[in-house]
Amino acid sequence: GDSVTQMEGPVTLSEEAFLTINCTYTATGYPSLFWYVQYPGEGLQLLLKATKADDKGSNKGFEATYRKETTSFHLEKGSVQVSDSAVYFCALRNTGNQFYFGTGTSLTVIP
Amino acid sequence: DADVTQTPRNRITKTGKRIMLECSQTKGHDRMYWYRQDPGLGLRLIYYSFDVKDINKGEISDGYSVSRQAQAKFSLSLESAIPNQTALYFCATSDPGRGTRSDTQYFGPGTRLTVL
Repeated sequence: GDSVTQMEGPVTLSEEAFLTINCTYTATGYPSLFWYVQYPGEGLQLLLKATKADDKGSNKGFEATYRKETTSFHLEKGSVQVSDSAVYFCALRNTGNQFYFGTGTSLTVIP
Repeated sequence: DADVTQTPRNRITKTGKRIMLECSQTKGHDRMYWYRQDPGLGLRLIYYSFDVKDINKGEISDGYSVSRQAQAKFSLSLESAIPNQTALYFCATSDPGRGTRSDTQYFGPGTRLTVL
């Protein structure tokens, strides 16, 4: 079945460090891919998305590129801030409009 | 005001009790979902509904039931709660429209349920 595998955390970085959170997926056809962010005590919010191969999603300095050949959608940010501390979820929507989420990666950014 | 609301936000109950979690949305979306979140397991789909007359089981539906009372309301019930149903429960909606609008899910703030 369809699934998403993402890098386990927790991840701790110093402010202004470079961030990468790996995500790979298994799905038939051409799913849409997403990164959601969950701040403490809140629900998930869409961070960025890509709907076809080679698309790059970007928002708030975060980027991820849809790589069909490696079935990956890694999240990157060049310079993290304390306010980026949250849990990040990779997700896919398959051709049947069902959504699958990864297990989440907790990020803590220290000043 | 929030587009997707959940009640209650927190609930502590005992084994064997019947519990209902409610979700309401003002986004006008036809599609609604219930997930549970457990540490280390991420989000797992319990049930989903693509319109008022359509209910579908998700990955982990055993022990749960749902009711879609209206386009805007989707309730999750635990008929006889057990401790391993202790989790954070999220409701979400999505828009089945054409193009990329159909891709995004919008989540409620969650209900933290503890079964003793």
